[in-house]
Amino acid sequence: DVKVTQSSRYLVKRTGEKVFLECVQDMDHENMFWYRQDPGLGLRLIYFSYDVKMKEKGDIPEGYSVSREKKERFSLILESASTNQTSMYLCASRNPGPRQETQYFGPGTRLLVL
Amino acid sequence: RKEVEQDPGPFNVPEGATVAFNCTYSNSASQSFFWYRQDCRKEPKLLMSVYSSGNEDGRFTAQLNRASQYISLLIRDSKLSDSATYLCVVTRRGSGYALNFGKGTSLLVTP
Repeated sequence: DVKVTQSSRYLVKRTGEKVFLECVQDMDHENMFWYRQDPGLGLRLIYFSYDVKMKEKGDIPEGYSVSREKKERFSLILESASTNQTSMYLCASRNPGPRQETQYFGPGTRLLVL
Repeated sequence: RKEVEQDPGPFNVPEGATVAFNCTYSNSASQSFFWYRQDCRKEPKLLMSVYSSGNEDGRFTAQLNRASQYISLLIRDSKLSDSATYLCVVTRRGSGYALNFGKGTSLLVTP
């Protein structure tokens, strides 16, 4: 059974703080993703990684960075948290290729920036 | 035009009803299609993949029309436990085959 875990379910931070969101998957997947989900906007891709130390920007990378030092772990970093980064953050993983292979999501981290 | 567009919803239906959700996508090069289900305050979970020939999984039937760039989901004999938000999802080439999500359609099945 695929398992994607995220370090926190709920997080409260102050404006300007540096925030780390961690994601770990146990299925040896090569591709990992970070999305955020906001009411009325749906899920939007922030960053993705297709291999260790490889990363690419998604649709809304501003204000975020990522780190992938090990295959199973993909971290999202908010360099200086702002209130508009209050959101639900979802990590996902999959194996590469165009085949009909889905992504598996972690349980999400609800971040509140005050 | 948005990448993936869905019925706005919400849909309120009685138990036992049949309900259909529709979705259109803008990128004709999209290769894979899915319906995900998301319960309140939970992560999205795969409901079913959608194949060109159409496919069925119990009470759920998914259809894909590549020419019209249209995807549908039919739920027969609705159960209370079907209440959730249904997300139409399309992969995009490149981006590690990241997913483009519709905004979701909310379904409430009532007794």
